[in-house]
Amino acid sequence: AQKITQTQPGMFVQEKEAVTLDCTYDTSDQSYGLFWYKQPSSGEMIFLIYQGSYDEQNATEGRYSLNFQKARKSANLVISASQLGDSAMYFCAMREWTGTASKLTFGTGTRLQVTL
Amino acid sequence: GAVVSQHPSWVICKSGTSVKIECRSLDFQATTMFWYRQFPKQSLMLMATSNEGSKATYEQGVEKDKFLINHASLTLSTLTVTSAHPEDSSFYICSARIRAHEQYFGPGTRLTVT
Repeated sequence: AQKITQTQPGMFVQEKEAVTLDCTYDTSDQSYGLFWYKQPSSGEMIFLIYQGSYDEQNATEGRYSLNFQKARKSANLVISASQLGDSAMYFCAMREWTGTASKLTFGTGTRLQVTL
Repeated sequence: GAVVSQHPSWVICKSGTSVKIECRSLDFQATTMFWYRQFPKQSLMLMATSNEGSKATYEQGVEKDKFLINHASLTLSTLTVTSAHPEDSSFYICSARIRAHEQYFGPGTRLTVT
């Protein structure tokens, strides 16, 4: 079963508008972490934002905010005031612990295109 | 954020040869590094977890004898693709973790096997 599901293969948004990228996850653990990464065409993975499962407040980092709904197991990324440079692939990821080790599992990604 | 480098950024090799990819944490020490593989327009798939001074932990389905990982120091991990074949052509990305919620990625290495 998919651990991380991103149902939007591609999204368009106009410059200066806000956009929400969906992410749902599946885990039976109580302690986990959720991440969003941006991957521009250059290929590098850029960390955007993190939400811990015990964090009560939604994470925010500048124009990025994470809409964390624990009961629904969703962790949507909201980008406000979109810029042309935001055009990229966006990956949602979850960290789970297996014993003393942990690993990051990625969703299939959403390609965001910001238009004029 | 912290900086992770990879070398080379791209490499072309002939089928049957071996290729080594280096991953370095430039401004921090990383006891744990990760190697991912990404096919075009697909997600990142974890290949193995590399721990300094011990054997790497490979994910199910990843051949440890084909993808040799060495984490000899706190700032360097290497991935060697042995006897490379065209199906090994991919984008290989390493990552280093500072703390539980801080994991930084290298710029990736594009491997093409002809």
